[in-house]
Amino acid sequence: KQEVTQIPAALSVPEGENLVLNCSFTDSAIYNLQWFRQDPGKGLTSLLLIQSSQREQTSGRLNASLDKSSGRSTLYIAASQPGDSATYLCAVSNNQGGKLIFGQGTELSVKP
Amino acid sequence: SAVISQKPSRDICQRGTSLTIQCQVDSQVTMMFWYRQQPGQSLTLIATANQGSEATYESGFVIDKFPISRPNLTFSTLTVSNMSPEDSSIYLCSVAAAETQYFGPGTRLLVL
Repeated sequence: KQEVTQIPAALSVPEGENLVLNCSFTDSAIYNLQWFRQDPGKGLTSLLLIQSSQREQTSGRLNASLDKSSGRSTLYIAASQPGDSATYLCAVSNNQGGKLIFGQGTELSVKP
Repeated sequence: SAVISQKPSRDICQRGTSLTIQCQVDSQVTMMFWYRQQPGQSLTLIATANQGSEATYESGFVIDKFPISRPNLTFSTLTVSNMSPEDSSIYLCSVAAAETQYFGPGTRLLVL
């Protein structure tokens, strides 16, 4: 049974700092992995999607890496801003268009 | 991409009653998913809804409690039946499009 774990559960950093969020999964036979952002009281916004054959994806200040064999992914946020404050969720899918299995999320707070 | 709307956005209900949540997508999609996010928790898949067939429920979720309709390729409903305070959650629908999953804004349900 696939399980997804995210560390840390919460993180508080000063503005401008670079930071790394971690995600691990127990079954390496994934189809893809997605990172989402959830603002308080809101739905989910997809940030980055990494296919199982890819090693990383970048979008602006965000970079997500995937090491499928070790069951790990990281989300790197460069030059953090207060607007980055949100909960970041990692989710894996075991097949195309299939259900997502989510981690518990990392609650990020970026202080001005 | 896919744009998803949900109705209602929030509701407060009395125990023992039922609530039907609507999910509308701006394009035709094969599979729609219903997730639950309990307070302080991550997302858990309730069921997968395919047009023209019975929904597929995850372990711990049953059709009598969460009946789902999928009358066409752009619309689905989830009913939360005979509600109890433990059903207080955010309910989100999502669709898979171009390898990415898109989520609706969620329905925030409080059961008194």
